[in-house]
Amino acid sequence: DSGVTQTPKHLITATGQRVTLRCSPRSGDLSVYWYQQSLDQGLQFLIQYYNGEERAKGNILERFSAQQFPDLHSELNLSSLELGDSALYFCASSVGHRGYEQYFGPGTRLTVT
Amino acid sequence: GNSVTQMEGPVTLSEEAFLTINCTYTATGYPSLFWYVQYPGEGLQLLLKATKADDKGSNKGFEATYRKETTSFHLEKGSVQVSDSAVYFCALIPPSPGGSYIPTFGRGTSLIVHP
Repeated sequence: DSGVTQTPKHLITATGQRVTLRCSPRSGDLSVYWYQQSLDQGLQFLIQYYNGEERAKGNILERFSAQQFPDLHSELNLSSLELGDSALYFCASSVGHRGYEQYFGPGTRLTVT
Repeated sequence: GNSVTQMEGPVTLSEEAFLTINCTYTATGYPSLFWYVQYPGEGLQLLLKATKADDKGSNKGFEATYRKETTSFHLEKGSVQVSDSAVYFCALIPPSPGGSYIPTFGRGTSLIVHP
């Protein structure tokens, strides 16, 4: 158990809908990272928050957004969903902002039908 | 841009065989290098890391040496076990004077170990 929790574990929704994925980092970790894992693209870094502020941005679509709250949990919002958004979404956390030791959650499997 | 290239799998071995999974990278400057492991149905776990040239990372019998000359970070283990069956990811985080440490992962290499 990494200490990082993600909910829900599975999510099935239709195209055009909007969903919210939630992540709670390990106790004491200030950074939260979001990743998308698919067979086509592999593991892609989406975005990082550090202590409530956006720190780094990767290959995140404009339809996707994230935030980190004062209690350090984070949410990833995916809107206008397309079939191609079906993937595993991982959250990871680390103590500092460099991400040299990241602890991954178990992931949320999103299926868009 | 930055990239990580791993050998395609699956790699299939018998128990107690020697393991090598190749990883090469392209990056500006001298990145920090990592190996992560993903067991079925789980998230990734950090296996080992090296933050400067010639450093050797090691953990649980696995090791990898940061080779600047060949821009490589190959993963090795002398004697694999069935429990090592998993997907292994090589990753880098480049130096970032500007403050954004953006990780890049390889596509992953599946390892299957037979008894």
